Amino acid sequence: DQQVKQNSPSLSVQEGRISILNCDYTNSMFDYFLWYKKYPAEGPTFLISISSIKDKNEDGRFTVFLNKSAKHLSLHIVPSQPGDSAVYFCAASYTHGSGNTGKLIFGQGTTLQVKP
Amino acid sequence: DSGVTQTPKHLITATGQRVTLRCSPRSGDLSVYWYQQSLDQGLQFLIQYYNGEERAKGNILERFSAQQFPDLHSELNLSSLELGDSALYFCASSPLAQGGETQYFGPGTRLLVL
Repeated sequence: DQQVKQNSPSLSVQEGRISILNCDYTNSMFDYFLWYKKYPAEGPTFLISISSIKDKNEDGRFTVFLNKSAKHLSLHIVPSQPGDSAVYFCAASYTHGSGNTGKLIFGQGTTLQVKP
Repeated sequence: DSGVTQTPKHLITATGQRVTLRCSPRSGDLSVYWYQQSLDQGLQFLIQYYNGEERAKGNILERFSAQQFPDLHSELNLSSLELGDSALYFCASSPLAQGGETQYFGPGTRLLVL
């Protein structure tokens, strides 16, 4: 049972345009979400996070949107740069209850290619 | 550089063998998490230690075990290895053991079982 899903395995966008990466979750108890970026042969690098008490969080070119009713979050990258080409993972965790240990549940990842 | 170190970077071994993967968390972090990334898969949570004690367990095989030492470094032991155990193994650390924290990942150990 995959609780966090990234339904698009890949995405290709032109440099300077917006990249939108999507993530869906099924467990309504998740209340903290993170996006990580991963280059080949490296570990995941934290990008941005959002708590369920918010619906938007911005950090420079990166914005994460959360729609709790739809159990959906998205990462917007504007403008996209060739250096953004990587695999992007969304992850979810709990901040309450017995699941509140900090462990992350990851999606399968989306490979973003930004073309010059 | 996340501040999390993992050794070795690469490991090639044969089926039936046993290996140990090592992780040193960021300075000050008490919690260590282990994740497995198989081919074309997302990262799967294996096990978590907090200040020397097991805190949470995921879908970790009985052939796998882990521990966290007093200096907070952690080791993941994989025994009776099978071809399907070939994967990337990442450790991550965070200050405490609760949701809402950012986890910082090491560079990973690539295990190949032949």
